[in-house]
Amino acid sequence: DAGVIQSPRHEVTEMGQEVTLRCKPISGHDYLFWYRQTMMRGLELLIYFNNNVPIDDSGMPEDRFSAKMPNASFSTLKIQPSEPRDSAVYFCASRPPGGAVGSPLHFGNGTRLTVT
Amino acid sequence: AQSVTQLGSHVSVSEGALVLLRCNYSSSVPPYLFWYVQYPNQGLQLLLKYTTGATLVKGINGFEAEFKKSETSFHLTKPSAHMSDAAEYFCAVISSGGSYIPTFGRGTSLIVHP
Repeated sequence: DAGVIQSPRHEVTEMGQEVTLRCKPISGHDYLFWYRQTMMRGLELLIYFNNNVPIDDSGMPEDRFSAKMPNASFSTLKIQPSEPRDSAVYFCASRPPGGAVGSPLHFGNGTRLTVT
Repeated sequence: AQSVTQLGSHVSVSEGALVLLRCNYSSSVPPYLFWYVQYPNQGLQLLLKYTTGATLVKGINGFEAEFKKSETSFHLTKPSAHMSDAAEYFCAVISSGGSYIPTFGRGTSLIVHP
């Protein structure tokens, strides 16, 4: 079990540039979550997928944010154009089947995004 | 609707002292409750969880938590703090019968002094 893999670990970009964050969930997990963590707002759920289908994107802050999951082993979170207030740590998490009995989330190590 | 309140954004203890991190939840149906720990520059990892059965749950690294329905609480304790316990701790709740998506608290930073 390699765990949830996120890339890059760190991203520094200039305001207005496009940013793409990547996530590989644990094999066999059917839920995938994208979170954003900041000092001010804590851990925020942005969007989650079930079986590659977006279920709830109500946490996506603006149209500048988009997420895709083209297959069970890959997801992206894109910000275009990026702004300084997007600076945060972005986490991807996956969950095995069995949410009905309280399966825990497995988190990646995050991508620290800095927009200057 | 479900929600989680963690009392105290920072808790400071001396090495060897009791650790108590407070979590209160709101849920209209029986909840599933979790504690996660986040070490610097890492993602969250599961410390322990309560689903059904015994209300006192033991987790990794000597931590335990007790589900108290009457108090809607799930406080995390450890008898003796170690320097390596310094981290951010998150309480989370899932309401059974709903979407099974967890709601996280704001987190409590545990500081351990030598």
